[in-house]
Amino acid sequence: ETGVTQSPTHLIKTRGQQVTLRCSSQSGHNTVSWYQQALGQGPQFIFQYYREEENGRGNFPPRFSGLQFPNYSSELNVNALELDDSALYLCASSPGTGGRETQYFGPGTRLLVL
Amino acid sequence: DQQVKQNSPSLSVQEGRISILNCDYTNSMFDYFLWYKKYPAEGPTFLISISSIKDKNEDGRFTVFLNKSAKHLSLHIVPSQPGDSAVYFCAAGDYLINSGGSNYKLTFGKGTLLTVNP
Repeated sequence: ETGVTQSPTHLIKTRGQQVTLRCSSQSGHNTVSWYQQALGQGPQFIFQYYREEENGRGNFPPRFSGLQFPNYSSELNVNALELDDSALYLCASSPGTGGRETQYFGPGTRLLVL
Repeated sequence: DQQVKQNSPSLSVQEGRISILNCDYTNSMFDYFLWYKKYPAEGPTFLISISSIKDKNEDGRFTVFLNKSAKHLSLHIVPSQPGDSAVYFCAAGDYLINSGGSNYKLTFGKGTLLTVNP
């Protein structure tokens, strides 16, 4: 059984650009959550998807959007990048409906916005 | 407004001794608590969890204690090993009630860097 994988590992963009980050959940995991971890901070919840539908989101603006696909892969899209978007982006998958259960994290994508 | 606080940015212990990592929370709606370990260039790895209906959960060298009245939890590692050196995150879970769905999210502390010296 493979774990959660993410691509790319690192990315550099300039302010105003758009970026797409990818995640492959563990097989059989129907729920994926995305987190942003700024330097020196803990991961902060962006949103969660369950069976291709957004299941709830944290305090992030609409320019952060996502997609989840039937093959357990998902994307995080960020439009109109700002300098403060520079962070480590983590996805985490869990086997159930998004309720109380352990979330398993990928290694993250480090995004730098110049 | 930080709902999960890890007030010690770092902790250093000798190999073989006990490591105690602490976490405080403010949101009484949290009903599930987890500890994650993170090595550089890797994602957080799940260590141990505890439901709010329990006050202790043990898994090998790792024990988590929950004091609901004090809104405090701690992770004990006995005996500590050099391979335990990592950043430890405390996380608490609750439902995002304004989502319109059944979304359950985790709120993390800032982490504590544990160094176990040989």
